[in-house]
Amino acid sequence: KQEVTQIPAALSVPEGENLVLNCSFTDSAIYNLQWFRQDPGKGLTSLLLIQSSQREQTSGRLNASLDKSSGRSTLYIAASQPGDSATYLCAESSSGSRLTFGEGTQLTVNP
Amino acid sequence: KAGVTQTPRYLIKTRGQQVTLSCSPISGHRSVSWYQQTPGQGLQFLFEYFSETQRNKGNFPGRFSGRQFSNSRSEMNVSTLELGDSALYLCASSRTSGSSLRETQYFGPGTRLLVL
Repeated sequence: KQEVTQIPAALSVPEGENLVLNCSFTDSAIYNLQWFRQDPGKGLTSLLLIQSSQREQTSGRLNASLDKSSGRSTLYIAASQPGDSATYLCAESSSGSRLTFGEGTQLTVNP
Repeated sequence: KAGVTQTPRYLIKTRGQQVTLSCSPISGHRSVSWYQQTPGQGLQFLFEYFSETQRNKGNFPGRFSGRQFSNSRSEMNVSTLELGDSALYLCASSRTSGSSLRETQYFGPGTRLLVL
């Protein structure tokens, strides 16, 4: 059974800091890995999707990497802003469209 | 292009009742997946429908069921509600399904269900 773990569970940083969120998964036979953002009481917004054949994806200040052999992915956020405050979730797909989610990292960026 | 829409957004029911939630996918998307989100269990997969057929099912009791219509809109039904069914129910849509999925899934805003 695939398990996804995210560390840390919560993170508080000052504005402008660069930060890294971690995600680990137990089954390396994944199709892809996705990072999502969730604001309180809202749905999920897709941030980045990394295919199993890729090593990283970038979008603006966000960079996500994937290392299948070690079962790890990281989300790097550069020059963090208060508007980045949210819960960040990683999810892997190893069974078709079914996503297995981690517990999330709650990020707070202080002005 | 309109995003994924879910109705209703909020719902209050009592134990023993049943409830039906609706999800309209992005135009052209044929796959709809449902997830339950609770503080204790996080996000858990319920089921996926593609072209009106259930393709995948999570580990939920038979009280949870769903269906998909020819226009790809999907409904999920929960019968004999229990207190533990209180959750945010999210649906997600994508154009394709299964191992051919090479695209992201787009999530709706969710339906928050409270069971009293």
